[in-house]
Formats: sequence, C-alpha cells, structure tokens
Amino acid sequence: EVQLVESGGGFVPPGGSLRLSCVASGFAFRTYTMNWVRQAPGKGLECLSYIDTSGAKFYTDSVRGRFTVSRDNAKNSLYLQMNSLRDEDTAVYYCSRDGGAFDLWGQGTQVIVSS
Amino acid sequence: DVVMTQSPLSLPVTLGQPASISCRSSQGLVYRDGNTYLNWFQQRPGQPPRRLIYTVSNRESGVPDRFSGSGSGTDFTLKISRVEAEDVGVYYCVQGTHWPWTFGQGTRVEIK
Repeated sequence: EVQLVESGGGFVPPGGSLRLSCVASGFAFRTYTMNWVRQAPGKGLECLSYIDTSGAKFYTDSVRGRFTVSRDNAKNSLYLQMNSLRDEDTAVYYCSRDGGAFDLWGQGTQVIVSS
Repeated sequence: DVVMTQSPLSLPVTLGQPASISCRSSQGLVYRDGNTYLNWFQQRPGQPPRRLIYTVSNRESGVPDRFSGSGSGTDFTLKISRVEAEDVGVYYCVQGTHWPWTFGQGTRVEIK
C-alpha cells in the first residue's frame, strides 16, 4: 500500500525540541521531493519545508533556523528536527509527497507546545 | 510570498445544486516547465487533505467527475456540479509554483 506514516509528536515546553519522522511505503521514496506541512488548531495549511531528491533543503521564514529537514533513503524516511519551539508551533504536522504537487499525505502527528 | 485568496470562505449549498469556489493568486503561477501548479484539496473533519485536482484541471484518480477545475493566469475555480452530502468539508487551493508554496484560507462547504 502506498502510504506515509508520521510519528514523534507530543507535548513539549516552549524552547524545547522534538524530532518528527515520516516513513514511506509502497513507492520509490528516493525519487520524490518530500514536504512538511502543518495545520494549527482550527486554522489553514502552511508548507514549512521540503527536501528534494538531491538533498537540497528549503524552508519558510517562520521555521528557518529552528527546524531542519532531512531524509534517509535507505530507511524510506523523512525527518523534521524542531528546536526552539514556540506556542505558535502547536499544530498537526503532515508529511506529503512530490513537492508542490502534494499528491500523497500522511495522517499527521500532533505537536503541542505548552508549559 | 504568493498570496492565495479564496472566496467565498463559507458556502452553504442545497443538495443536488452546483457550487463554485474561486481562488486568486497574487502572481502568475506558470512554472518554467510550462505547467501551472495550482491544486485543489478537500479536507473532511479529522482527516488529512485529499487532492482533488492538480495542475488546474486534472482530476485525481477516483475523484467523482462532478468535481472540475478551471482557470489560468491568476484566477482559478473549483466547481461541484451537484453537491452531495459527502462533499461537506473545507476546500483549499494551493500553488506549488513559487516557494514557499502557499494555500488559500479554505472554503467551508456545508449543506443548507
């Protein structure tokens, strides 16, 4: 089955860190650009970062310098290291496939930043 | 950043009637490869987004043909020819041409 499964979310205090993971199955992971998108409670969608097949990384201004995207093609896995977390980072975090096409999404993992 | 503006933000529709959602971008969305990366998504409560339409007018496999996309330049439209109960949810346009890729605010479709 073609799918993406995120994990690693949870509760974290402001200033803390979390590492999210996304495991891909059913397709040739290494041939796809992969993204991280988040959705704050009751809000819309924000694309945070992507990593292309060469390993080039791109970030939106709201997370640049705090979040780091990476991938391990041998493990069919995408990661998001999140540091210096803020209240406004509270959201469901999704991984999605194929850059600006967003053709496949995981179910998401919840991150709650709160003291 | 490219701003994507959807209207209306709320759309009450009678079952069996048509519905139309507009999406306007602050810049043109033609990429250097000639494609226009404007997609439409449906999000049902508690679910991740599901892609309905890609590159303006191409329907995703398995999406009912009552959904259609059109447009060019900076103006795009998603149409539902006859709304069914399962179409309730929030609809988003997103541009995948200019980084950072940006979403519209979302249009909530509900049944009257």
